[in-house]
Amino acid sequence: QKEVEQDPGPLSVPEGAIVSLNCTYSNSAFQYFMWYRQYSRKGPELLMYTYSSGNKEDGRFTAQVDKSSKYISLFIRDSQPSDSATYLCAMSAVGDTGNQFYFGTGTSLTVIP
Amino acid sequence: DVKVTQSSRYLVKRTGEKVFLECVQDMDHENMFWYRQDPGLGLRLIYFSYDVKMKEKGDIPEGYSVSREKKERFSLILESASTNQTSMYLCASSFALGPGAFFGQGTRLTVV
Repeated sequence: QKEVEQDPGPLSVPEGAIVSLNCTYSNSAFQYFMWYRQYSRKGPELLMYTYSSGNKEDGRFTAQVDKSSKYISLFIRDSQPSDSATYLCAMSAVGDTGNQFYFGTGTSLTVIP
Repeated sequence: DVKVTQSSRYLVKRTGEKVFLECVQDMDHENMFWYRQDPGLGLRLIYFSYDVKMKEKGDIPEGYSVSREKKERFSLILESASTNQTSMYLCASSFALGPGAFFGQGTRLTVV
């Protein structure tokens, strides 16, 4: 079983739609949860990060973490064509038992004008 | 803006060659990372460094080594390149190990 599971899509939505991207994980030791956006032929760009459970909002983006279900989500409101990219979830555990960093395989999103 | 710069965007090397990938960051970050990204497998951690001369293996360190002689520079070394090391290599840096990282543009390495 992979440490992090992410539906690869592709996901195609009309401009203005609400987009929901999700990841599940198996390791309860993960403490930090991140979302990255990656445009074609570019490095990933950090969008959001959260520590432990809860919600975090930044403009049109909302990140949710449900540690009891081992499930994280990224919501994009009022999606724009410029949001078309691959979205990667990532999680990490840092501590005395060792440091672990894992990424999902990415979900490809296309926002149609 | 944080800048993470990788020395090459594209590299073509022959099997058996020793390959050096260089990464420099300009924000005085303690932590630096090397990942490889492959279709269907996502990003996988090769090595990371939490201080000068300090390193820790990631998930797939076999066939790779790293060097961090100065805080701003982290090098990935392929001791004897093989075709299965053809991949996109991404360097990243961050202040803290937890809350994310800033990535370079990547080096597309092809081993023939």
